[in-house]
Amino acid sequence: NAGVTQTPKFRVLKTGQSMTLLCAQDMNHEYMYWYRQDPGMGLRLIHYSVGEGTTAKGEVPDGYNVSRLKKQNFLLGLESAAPSQTSVYFCASSYSGQGGGYTFGSGTRLTVV
Amino acid sequence: QQPVQSPQAVILREGEDAVINCSSSKALYSVHWYRQKHGEAPVFLMILLKGGEQKGHEKISASFNEKKQQSSLYLTASQLSYSGTYFCGTMTYSGGGADGLTFGKGTHLIIQP
Repeated sequence: NAGVTQTPKFRVLKTGQSMTLLCAQDMNHEYMYWYRQDPGMGLRLIHYSVGEGTTAKGEVPDGYNVSRLKKQNFLLGLESAAPSQTSVYFCASSYSGQGGGYTFGSGTRLTVV
Repeated sequence: QQPVQSPQAVILREGEDAVINCSSSKALYSVHWYRQKHGEAPVFLMILLKGGEQKGHEKISASFNEKKQQSSLYLTASQLSYSGTYFCGTMTYSGGGADGLTFGKGTHLIIQP
């Protein structure tokens, strides 16, 4: 089925470790986004991309880096994980930055201890 | 700036109606509505692009009052499957419409038989 695939689904990191979350979409969407979801906070935008080779900061970018080397993939990296980065991470894609609904991946639950 | 959703939570009996409101302090280009069930990804419901626009199906619809910078989601004759958390996502003119949605904190809807 067409959609957005996130890997891994679960991960436990120790403080200071690094990891990369992968998001892949097969809908040929130009726009891709990384959000984090914390209880009572809603979804907050970390970084986004408006096309292959482009990235931009969202509302809460500190401690994260991203890359969009291929149109279908959007990677989120944590260089030195902190307990404050414990969260559920969602990737989303859209065919239009203005007029299209977002398709979300199933999420990655990350715990930093 | 994060849009404000109200109410924070609502409990209904099956067959009752509900209204969820979303308001912003900034001029809005568009409003999205999503529903998220526990442990799952948000699912796109609809997008409203024009002031005064009303959209949706017979039982789930929404309106967008551009002047008042607010949108409302209407659930009529609610069904058990409507339970979940509803998020509005807003896009302002300042970002050119392509810098990602800003989501409210969500409204928890519980439908009881």
